[in-house]
Amino acid sequence: GAVVSQHPSWVICKSGTSVKIECRSLDFQATTMFWYRQFPKQSLMLMATSNEGSKATYEQGVEKDKFLINHASLTLSTLTVTSAHPEDSSFYICSALMGGITYGYTFGSGTRLTVV
Amino acid sequence: GQNIDQPTEMTATEGAIVQINCTYQTSGFNGLFWYQQHAGEAPTFLSYNVLDGLEEKGRFSSFLSRSKGYSYLLLKELQMKDSASYLCAPMDSNYQLIWGAGTKLIIKP
Repeated sequence: GAVVSQHPSWVICKSGTSVKIECRSLDFQATTMFWYRQFPKQSLMLMATSNEGSKATYEQGVEKDKFLINHASLTLSTLTVTSAHPEDSSFYICSALMGGITYGYTFGSGTRLTVV
Repeated sequence: GQNIDQPTEMTATEGAIVQINCTYQTSGFNGLFWYQQHAGEAPTFLSYNVLDGLEEKGRFSSFLSRSKGYSYLLLKELQMKDSASYLCAPMDSNYQLIWGAGTKLIIKP
């Protein structure tokens, strides 16, 4: 079945540094990748939609200069959290649609980011 | 506005049946997804309903009534590994998924 590989699974970084999260679609081409953030016991929050070869579309309230998204190829999308702060600590997950909608959106395994 | 209403938490016994209800309000509708999410993990796809009625997939079934803005997920022959959160996610007219906080299902022996 369709697999979205997400790395790293977890990362701890110092406040002020930047962290890059990668999502690769392993056996399909993902024209569009969705990036979510989830705080404990809360719903998934869509941060942005990245489209291969064009600028990402950010949701209201999400700082595009802080959360840099690059989707340079049909199999790779990256999210870089720049100048991370403790309040950015969260679970970040990417998602893509493989084939028809009836197969559902496939999620990466998620990245647990802790900023200290 | 758009919103999802699911119970916050449910408890059921191993081997039993449980029904998780979901009511929703969206701007337009392009189907509804059910996902399972274990603690600390990403969601995994369970089902997609776009027409009224029941879709059965092994131990899991999902029902949709578009006129009532209502769906349920039915889990049969519950196993301990079914302990997880279950997320109801309708898709609006812009093909955006609307996520609620989900229902935490606790299975007891």
